[in-house]
Amino acid sequence: DVKVTQSSRYLVKRTGEKVFLECVQDMDHENMFWYRQDPGLGLRLIYFSYDVKMKEKGDIPEGYSVSREKKERFSLILESASTNQTSMYLCASSSRPFGGTEAFFGQGTRLTVV
Amino acid sequence: AQSVTQLGSHVSVSEGALVLLRCNYSSSVPPYLFWYVQYPNQGLQLLLKYTSAATLVKGINGFEAEFKKSETSFHLTKPSAHMSDAAEYFCAVSFSSNTGKLIFGQGTTLQVKP
Repeated sequence: DVKVTQSSRYLVKRTGEKVFLECVQDMDHENMFWYRQDPGLGLRLIYFSYDVKMKEKGDIPEGYSVSREKKERFSLILESASTNQTSMYLCASSSRPFGGTEAFFGQGTRLTVV
Repeated sequence: AQSVTQLGSHVSVSEGALVLLRCNYSSSVPPYLFWYVQYPNQGLQLLLKYTSAATLVKGINGFEAEFKKSETSFHLTKPSAHMSDAAEYFCAVSFSSNTGKLIFGQGTTLQVKP
């Protein structure tokens, strides 16, 4: 069974903390993605990676960074957490070729910044 | 710009009634189209996808969608709603040139009344 695993389902962090969200996939996928989900806004792409050590900004990268040192792992980093980063974060992966391939999603991490 | 619009943030139907969830896209190049479902506190699961083969696509759980290029639409239907269909549904689009990243609509919450 294919799997994308996010390290935490729920997190509570304080304003100004550095926060790490971890995602691991076991499907040997080249592409990995971090999305943010907010009510009424759907899913918005933060960053994606199409290869190890490669990364590209999505639509809302401000306040975030990512790391992909190994093919199976993609980390999202909040450099200094703020209350407006309280949200649901979803990791996904997909294989090449691009375009019509299905993305597989993790269970999500609900982050609350207080 | 490429975008996806889902008409209606909330749809309510009675059990046994037709389900119709609307999705329109904006694109200057041929799209790949997807419908995902999200049950409470879960990640996203693929319902079906259109990748330029048949315009009528059948998915899991009795859902289907029809790609209509002239209307730039990809509406999701199910002839008879079940209580278990209550969830949030997302329409998404990707393109061969964009490394597989998905652009999502705002989501539609389906309520099924007994």
